[in-house]
Amino acid sequence: QKEVEQNSGPLSVPEGAIASLNCTYSDRGSQSFFWYRQYSGKSPELIMFIYSNGDKEDGRFTAQLNKASQYVSLLIRDSQPSDSATYLCAVKGPRYSTLTFGKGTMLLVSP
Amino acid sequence: NAGVTQTPKFQVLKTGQSMTLQCAQDMNHNSMYWYRQDPGMGLRLIYYSASEGTTDKGEVPNGYNVSRLNKREFSLRLESAAPSQTSVYFCASSGGLAGDNEQFFGPGTRLTVL
Repeated sequence: QKEVEQNSGPLSVPEGAIASLNCTYSDRGSQSFFWYRQYSGKSPELIMFIYSNGDKEDGRFTAQLNKASQYVSLLIRDSQPSDSATYLCAVKGPRYSTLTFGKGTMLLVSP
Repeated sequence: NAGVTQTPKFQVLKTGQSMTLQCAQDMNHNSMYWYRQDPGMGLRLIYYSASEGTTDKGEVPNGYNVSRLNKREFSLRLESAAPSQTSVYFCASSGGLAGDNEQFFGPGTRLTVL
């Protein structure tokens, strides 16, 4: 049984700060890792994915992957109130085409 | 392009009633998925279809059936609704130029079973 763990939050940061969201996973065979953002009452949308150890940057977002420690994180630089949402971590293994989602972390960015 | 569409947006059922949730995508994706999302439980996969003509169970398939009608459409049926099936249901698809790396989600169906 694959498990993906996230702190439910809420994580509160002031506008302009760096928000750090963390996720751990149980299946060492997992190969691809995804971060989705979900605004209240809306559907999830993909922010970025990563499959190699290290950092991957896309604008204000940086995904970090450490397979040895089985964690993946998402950093949001210069956080904006519009970043306030629930962030879902998802994991895909080598044998499955499906994703296993964590329960999500709620981020609140205050002006 | 409409992306992934779902109908209905809202539905209230009585225990024991049946209904079908409809999903369609216009992105020529091979793979389609049904999830449910409950407070504090995250997204859980109910069923998925890797290609037209195939369906497989996900994490929580009990009480549901699916039909991959054609490449565009993937429906979810509740034969005898129970209060435990009160949830928000999302359909998703993947498989375009980005492969299966990105799942595109529909707007969701909010279902209440009384």
